[in-house]
Amino acid sequence: AQTVTQSQPEMSVQEAETVTLSCTYDTSESDYYLFWYKQPPSRQMILVIRQEAYKQQNATENRFSVNFQKAAKSFSLKISDSQLGDAAMYFCAYRSGGANSKLTFGKGITLSVRP
Amino acid sequence: GAVVSQHPSRVICKSGTSVKIECRSLDFQATTMFWYRQFPKKSLMLMATSNEGSKATYEQGVEKDKFLINHASLTLSTLTVTSAHPEDSSFYICSAPNPGRNSGNTIYFGEGSWLTVV
Repeated sequence: AQTVTQSQPEMSVQEAETVTLSCTYDTSESDYYLFWYKQPPSRQMILVIRQEAYKQQNATENRFSVNFQKAAKSFSLKISDSQLGDAAMYFCAYRSGGANSKLTFGKGITLSVRP
Repeated sequence: GAVVSQHPSRVICKSGTSVKIECRSLDFQATTMFWYRQFPKKSLMLMATSNEGSKATYEQGVEKDKFLINHASLTLSTLTVTSAHPEDSSFYICSAPNPGRNSGNTIYFGEGSWLTVV
C-alpha cells in the first residue's frame, strides 16, 4: 500500500520569505501523481500544484514550486514570497494512475505566516 | 474549471435522526466519488468510495449501516448518516475525479459539510 509522510506538524514563515514543506512517499508503482492541497480555515480543499511521476521537470505554479526527487521518493513544496493568505493547512497527496483511484493523504502541516 | 458542489454546508440535527449530504459534479460525469471525514487539525480520512450503479466500497472500520452511500447518477452521490449521535458530529467532504482528457488526473473537492448532532 502507498503511504505519504509529512513529518513536520507545524511551520512558520516570515511574510515575503521562502518556506519549504517536506513530504515523502512510498510506492512500488511507476504510474502515479503527486499533489499539494491547501486547506484554509474555510476547510475548502484547494489544489496548489500537481506533479506527474513520469515528468522529470519540477512543476511550478506562480510562487509555488516543487522539488520532485523520484528516486528518493520526496516531493517538497516551496512557497516563495510568502503572503498572509498562504497561512493554512497543507496536505501532500498521492494518487495511482488509474482513472478512479483514490487520493492518499499525509497528515498535513499547519503553516503560519508572520507579518 | 471542474466544480464539485456539496450541500448542505452546515446542518444541525437531533440525536437519533438521519441526515443526508449531497455531492454533485457540476460540469463532468463522475462514475466514482469519495467521501471523507475530517476531525479538527487532522488529515482527511477516507470513509468510502461510491460507484455509480453499484454498491459503495467502505474502508475498514466504517459502519455501512450507519453511513449509507448512494450514487444515483453520474453527477450525484449522497451520504446519509443514520440514527445520528453526537460522536458523528464532524466535517464531511466529498470529492470526485474528473476523467476528462485535460483534467490532469486531478480530484476535485466539494465545499464540505459541518454536521452537528445535538
